[in-house]
Amino acid sequence: KAGVTQTPRYLIKTRGQQVTLSCSPISGHRSVSWYQQTPGQGLQFLFEYFSETQRNKGNFPGRFSGRQFSNSRSEMNVSTLELGDSALYLCASSLYRVDTGELFFGEGSRLTVL
Amino acid sequence: DQQVKQNSPSLSVQEGRISILNCDYTNSMFDYFLWYKKYPAEGPTFLISISSIKDKNEDGRFTVFLNKSAKHLSLHIVPSQPGDSAVYFCAASTLAGNQFYFGTGTSLTVIP
Repeated sequence: KAGVTQTPRYLIKTRGQQVTLSCSPISGHRSVSWYQQTPGQGLQFLFEYFSETQRNKGNFPGRFSGRQFSNSRSEMNVSTLELGDSALYLCASSLYRVDTGELFFGEGSRLTVL
Repeated sequence: DQQVKQNSPSLSVQEGRISILNCDYTNSMFDYFLWYKKYPAEGPTFLISISSIKDKNEDGRFTVFLNKSAKHLSLHIVPSQPGDSAVYFCAASTLAGNQFYFGTGTSLTVIP
């Protein structure tokens, strides 16, 4: 069965612009989480959606937002990009609860902000 | 505030020897722990997990040990193989927490 698909894989933006990243979870998975990976910081939790509802949010500024659609696909948006937003953004899906099962990760979207 | 810490950014081991990757956590409410492996240009993949009711879980060459009193877990890989060279992340969660807390990762290099 198809894995988690993230698009685009790579993108370059300039400061002040905004970006939208997309994630299609594994079929049947209803939970989608987003993480930011930067060197030395590991994976930082952004937010988690389940059945179109945001259940949890990490410690990121309001410029980072997300949503989930009825088909469980999810998007995240970053507005007014800053240099420090350059990172690998990872999407992960799981069947129901994220706390008692494994997460299945996509390959990530590599964002470079110039 | 980093609730899950991997204090060794890198580790080198000879092929065939044991690799031991360590992870410490600060939140005593964590009750489920996982290890993920990540190759460059790929997303992390699940390796092994352990719940707080156990102190050991094995899966082939991989064993995870949990010491709740010390808030410490470790991943043992025996014997280590060159294909094990990757970045390893430990992660922890609380019941109904709806998120995992990840460490900063340890880059393992297995030398042939």
